[in-house]
Amino acid sequence: DAKTTQPPSMDCAEGRAANLPCNHSTISGNEYVYWYRQIHSQGPQYIIHGLKNNETNEMASLIITEDRKSSTLILPHATLRDTAVYYCIVRVFEGNKLVFGAGTILRVKS
Amino acid sequence: NAGVTQTPKFRILKIGQSMTLQCAQDMNHNYMYWYRQDPGMGLKLIYYSVGAGITDKGEVPNGYNVSRSTTEDFPLRLELAAPSQTSVYFCASSTGTALNSPLHFGNGTRLTVT
Repeated sequence: DAKTTQPPSMDCAEGRAANLPCNHSTISGNEYVYWYRQIHSQGPQYIIHGLKNNETNEMASLIITEDRKSSTLILPHATLRDTAVYYCIVRVFEGNKLVFGAGTILRVKS
Repeated sequence: NAGVTQTPKFRILKIGQSMTLQCAQDMNHNYMYWYRQDPGMGLKLIYYSVGAGITDKGEVPNGYNVSRSTTEDFPLRLELAAPSQTSVYFCASSTGTALNSPLHFGNGTRLTVT
């Protein structure tokens, strides 16, 4: 079973920051939080991941709370091409598996 | 860079037929995975492999078989196709050994069983 909870959908205005929340209250100490997105049923695209500290790369920022029970993915300047399903995933230690939940449908609107 | 390559892209099978979905990666990754995605749903893990000669079941392994004779290839076999196996199948790979290595996905095989 997925160890994460996400809202089913969100809207964001083009050019504004998109903040996607995720709850993972049962995360273990050595489990990473991963974010992927999927556009038009293509293969999932890796965005970012983190353990304890906040992370930033060219695509997004990941903010993880101090107790690690929740996180937020931030797309700083959303564009129409960012419309996709965003998956927050806790990487399970056994077999290094990713267990996907239902994700959040992000709609970026002009 | 090819990354993870899946073939075929599309396939229609009749009930009871069999087929093999091919997956190859050129990144020398130890870990490989097969997922299926039903319409409007998230991905579910079918099988995974932590290295050549080693495979294990995921969440939904029934009706499928896998083998891993080389590091590069991880084929998925459907022996007796059923309509419930209509889905999009994604193969993925990662460097493995640690939790700190992203999965790289192929672009999927869209399978219809009628």
